[in-house]
Amino acid sequence: QVHLQESGPGLVKPSQTLSLTCTVSGASISSGVDYWTWIRQHPEKGLEWIGYTYHGGTTHYNPSLKSRLNMSIDISKNQLSLSLRSVTAADTAVYYCATYGTTLGKIEHWGQGALVTVSS
Amino acid sequence: AIQMTQSPSSLSASVGDRVTITCRADQDIGKDLGWYQQTPGKAPKLLIYSASNLQSGVPSRFSGSGSGTDFTLTISSLQPDDFAIYYCLQDHIYPLTFGQGTRLDIK
Repeated sequence: QVHLQESGPGLVKPSQTLSLTCTVSGASISSGVDYWTWIRQHPEKGLEWIGYTYHGGTTHYNPSLKSRLNMSIDISKNQLSLSLRSVTAADTAVYYCATYGTTLGKIEHWGQGALVTVSS
Repeated sequence: AIQMTQSPSSLSASVGDRVTITCRADQDIGKDLGWYQQTPGKAPKLLIYSASNLQSGVPSRFSGSGSGTDFTLTISSLQPDDFAIYYCLQDHIYPLTFGQGTRLDIK
């Protein structure tokens, strides 16, 4: 069973960088079976796709966040990383990592989510 | 970006009712649509993929249909666990985009 777990600071100051890690178990990030995606949900709001990364280094970011965003993979740790620069209060959200099967469009396995609050 | 519009935004129903939620894309997305269920404090859960395919382990009372721009999610007989928020998601063109959600409450 694939399990994903997000971790990182729950509070980030405005203008600083939000950094999250997603630790994957039950699957190898380097297997090439799935893409690895991040999605966020603003408080009491809907879902926003952030982007995906793939073990070969391929990434695809939401244009709305692209200028501030970086995603990477650490195969040795079986982890994904998300970095969002110059954050504002509008970046306050629950951040989810998940598997994304591009062939069938499935976002099948999700982490439990990590709440990140941007506040001074 | 493709805009996805769900209707209704909220819905009240009773256990045993048949419920239909619709999702409309502002351009043709073929059958590249999924439906997700989210309960409070939890991550979304995949119910339907490729418009009409039931995800493994999901009860058969859930079904999806549609193609092009218009899609529906139907719950044939509501159960207590089904009261949740439902989202559609298109993955035809990047960026992936979700509908705004449909809140299904107990009447």
